[in-house]
Amino acid sequence: DAKTTQPPSMDCAEGRAANLPCNHSTISGNEYVYWYRQIHSQGPQYIIHGLKNNETNEMASLIITEDRKSSTLILPHATLRDTAVYYCIVRADPLLSGYSTLTFGKGTMLLVSP
Amino acid sequence: EADIYQTPRYLVIGTGKKITLECSQTMGHDKMYWYQQDPGMELHLIHYSYGVNSTEKGDLSSESTVSRIRTEHFPLTLESARPSHTSQYLCASSGWGTIDSPLHFGNGTRLTVT
Repeated sequence: DAKTTQPPSMDCAEGRAANLPCNHSTISGNEYVYWYRQIHSQGPQYIIHGLKNNETNEMASLIITEDRKSSTLILPHATLRDTAVYYCIVRADPLLSGYSTLTFGKGTMLLVSP
Repeated sequence: EADIYQTPRYLVIGTGKKITLECSQTMGHDKMYWYQQDPGMELHLIHYSYGVNSTEKGDLSSESTVSRIRTEHFPLTLESARPSHTSQYLCASSGWGTIDSPLHFGNGTRLTVT
């Protein structure tokens, strides 16, 4: 699976949009981009995933560049409860390339302040 | 919310003791995983299972063992605990086959070996 690069930390004011970048320049055509987050002392929580189109759900939006070499997770109105480590992971579709596990990197520590 | 449970939540135990960390899920998921995470560090996959009677070692070598006798249950055992085993252990599960099967994590067991 392709590696990802994320900034180690970011700050965001409560109520503002949080834009978390991720570089995955070696991503291949059948690899999806996943985002998870981990709030302190809890297990990671799935947020969203996508292949090449932008995606939106009740938690966040995922913007993937046309060349698919980078993506941005957007939390439109960050709250204090969004303070967490955010992980960007790329992984191939197991139906196409066989089973593979998720590899978590260091992620981005997002601190939302009042 | 995902229905995956880990017990105990916290465990302090002396060196040399045998321990079993419990993980159960009620979603009927085929795939289950154990990750190990030191404070402030990355998650490392130590074991996973495709289904009943299937167990595989993960990316990080571990002295622990696992078993998968029932779909819903994936316990992890340390035959002789050592201080180097002090860590957080996270269990996860996911559905079979498609890319639309994110991991659901439990809240972990924080193990301290004295």
